[in-house]
Amino acid sequence: EAQVTQNPRYLITVTGKKLTVTCSQNMNHEYMSWYRQDPGLGLRQIYYSMNVEVTDKGDVPEGYKVSRKEKRNFPLILESPSPNQTSLYFCASSPGGVRRYTFGSGTRLTVV
Amino acid sequence: GQNIDQPTEMTATEGAIVQINCTYQTSGFNGLFWYQQHAGEAPTFLSYNVLDGLEEKGRFSSFLSRSKGYSYLLLKELQMKDSASYLCAVKGGTGFQKLVFGTGTRLLVSP
Repeated sequence: EAQVTQNPRYLITVTGKKLTVTCSQNMNHEYMSWYRQDPGLGLRQIYYSMNVEVTDKGDVPEGYKVSRKEKRNFPLILESPSPNQTSLYFCASSPGGVRRYTFGSGTRLTVV
Repeated sequence: GQNIDQPTEMTATEGAIVQINCTYQTSGFNGLFWYQQHAGEAPTFLSYNVLDGLEEKGRFSSFLSRSKGYSYLLLKELQMKDSASYLCAVKGGTGFQKLVFGTGTRLLVSP
């Protein structure tokens, strides 16, 4: 089944403890992206990648890192999480061009 | 940059028709998308427009006017399960691949 898989679905962590949220797609898509969603602010793009080893900042990249070493994987890294990074995170992928994005199921992160 | 505006909330009655508007400004344009999102779930694709005009898909239709920076999503024969947020998103920016979302319109369908 074609899908975008994110893990974990839920995560509670403490301030400053490094964490990684994984994202993997099995559709051979070139384009991958991370979003965070907060009440009243909608989906905001954190980082995106147009292909392997090509990444770029979205609108809210501060406090996050990404890597794209393989086409299928696009992990989101929080080196030193803070409470303002408590949010619902979505990974998405697309073949590129004018074609739809497919979203993962989301990761609800709480930083205390 | 890209800027997208849509109403925050709308209400409608089961069986009725509702139109959700979206206006946008973007540097570079490579398509406008509509997604449906139920609370706490992932957005799911509804439609996209890249050329001016109306695209119809069952009970859902989407319209685009590129010259006016305007789109709408039309939902017919509303059902209770259509209560959700509807997200307008524009693809553009550098490389024409950046997908930016509006804050979404929460639709409440009542009996």
